[in-house]
Amino acid sequence: NAGVTQTPKFQVLKTGQSMTLQCAQDMNHNSMYWYRQDPGMGLRLIYYSASEGTTDKGEVPNGYNVSRLNKREFSLRLESAAPSQTSVYFCASSYDIQGASTEAFFGQGTRLTVV
Amino acid sequence: DAKTTQPPSMDCAEGRAANLPCNHSTISGNEYVYWYRQIHSQGPQYIIHGLKNNETNEMASLIITEDRKSSTLILPHATLRDTAVYYCIASRASGTYKYIFGTGTRLKVLA
Repeated sequence: NAGVTQTPKFQVLKTGQSMTLQCAQDMNHNSMYWYRQDPGMGLRLIYYSASEGTTDKGEVPNGYNVSRLNKREFSLRLESAAPSQTSVYFCASSYDIQGASTEAFFGQGTRLTVV
Repeated sequence: DAKTTQPPSMDCAEGRAANLPCNHSTISGNEYVYWYRQIHSQGPQYIIHGLKNNETNEMASLIITEDRKSSTLILPHATLRDTAVYYCIASRASGTYKYIFGTGTRLKVLA
């Protein structure tokens, strides 16, 4: 299994440019997440999606939009990139059922630099 | 989700047990304790989780105090490959899991 696949792995943007980070999982998970990790820091939740068609804000949603295209795919869009959005972005997925705990699987990250 | 507190860094000799503490004094009854680790800048890797009882798997053991206000992750025989940042997360058992990561503990295993 591929698990959680993120594309691209690396990207350099100019300030003001837009781009979409792609994430796909092949584990039939219902929940998906986007995190960012700044140098030397822990992960911060940007958005999450509990199921196809639903999305919710996390800790740091400003400047981002998301789309849960289908059960497999969850994309993150930067409409007008800013240097403060330079970070490593991680996508994750998990299978969540009411009243039970599950583990999250993470992709290998997208390293984004905004100049 | 309850806030967790971990020491910023720890050292451990290779071959010895690494005991990583986590405080989660505001944890609620339906919140699980999860442990993940991140090696270099890779995506975090799940280690273990538990609710009330102590848990053990092939990677580690998780000891949760009776009042559930703290826990300890034990790597029984640490190797150099265990050098990583370890994150303790308290997350509720609901239809949606929102894993809120703190800053973690940077474990360095020394040869």
